[in-house]
Amino acid sequence: EAGVAQSPRYKIIEKRQSVAFWCNPISGHATLYWYQQILGQGPKLLIQFQNNGVVDDSQLPKDRFSAERLKGVDSTLKIQPAKLEDSAVYLCASNRDSQETQYFGPGTRLLVL
Amino acid sequence: KQEVTQIPAALSVPEGENLVLNCSFTDSAIYNLQWFRQDPGKGLTSLLLIQSSQREQTSGRLNASLDKSSGRSTLYIAASQPGDSATYLCAGGTSYGKLTFGQGTILTVHP
Repeated sequence: EAGVAQSPRYKIIEKRQSVAFWCNPISGHATLYWYQQILGQGPKLLIQFQNNGVVDDSQLPKDRFSAERLKGVDSTLKIQPAKLEDSAVYLCASNRDSQETQYFGPGTRLLVL
Repeated sequence: KQEVTQIPAALSVPEGENLVLNCSFTDSAIYNLQWFRQDPGKGLTSLLLIQSSQREQTSGRLNASLDKSSGRSTLYIAASQPGDSATYLCAGGTSYGKLTFGQGTILTVHP
């Protein structure tokens, strides 16, 4: 069974630029999560999807971050415009049922200069 | 609002030693408690998941306990090996799947 796929693995941009990350969850997993992990900290949930609907986006900075999962499968997370403090690893995770363990992708490491 | 704290922040032990990692949480209405491992530059790997109705879970050399009344969980690693070196994260989970993570414990097991 293929794991959670994410791309790109690394991205360097300048502040005020835009960036997008892509995630393809494990086949059949209805729930998809995006986390932000700043160096030295644990991951923080940004947004949770159940199929193509949003379950929780209470910690998503909606003035600059957006995410979509249009067909209930893969998902895109966008930052526009980026700030220096957005430098972090962005992790995608999925599970078949929200009460089961989550499976994480390798993450996208973003550096904003 | 759930807050999760892990102690110690870092731990260095010789190979073969038994060790305990600690995790505390503020909201006792926790649905489950999960322990993850993170290797440098990689995503998280789930180690153990304890439901709120359970007291402990075991997998190989790992044993995790949960005490909701005191707001604590421990991860016990028996006979540690250099391959166990990684960051260990605990997370409190809600019924709809939201995880709140601690900041992690960086474990180094030296030969």
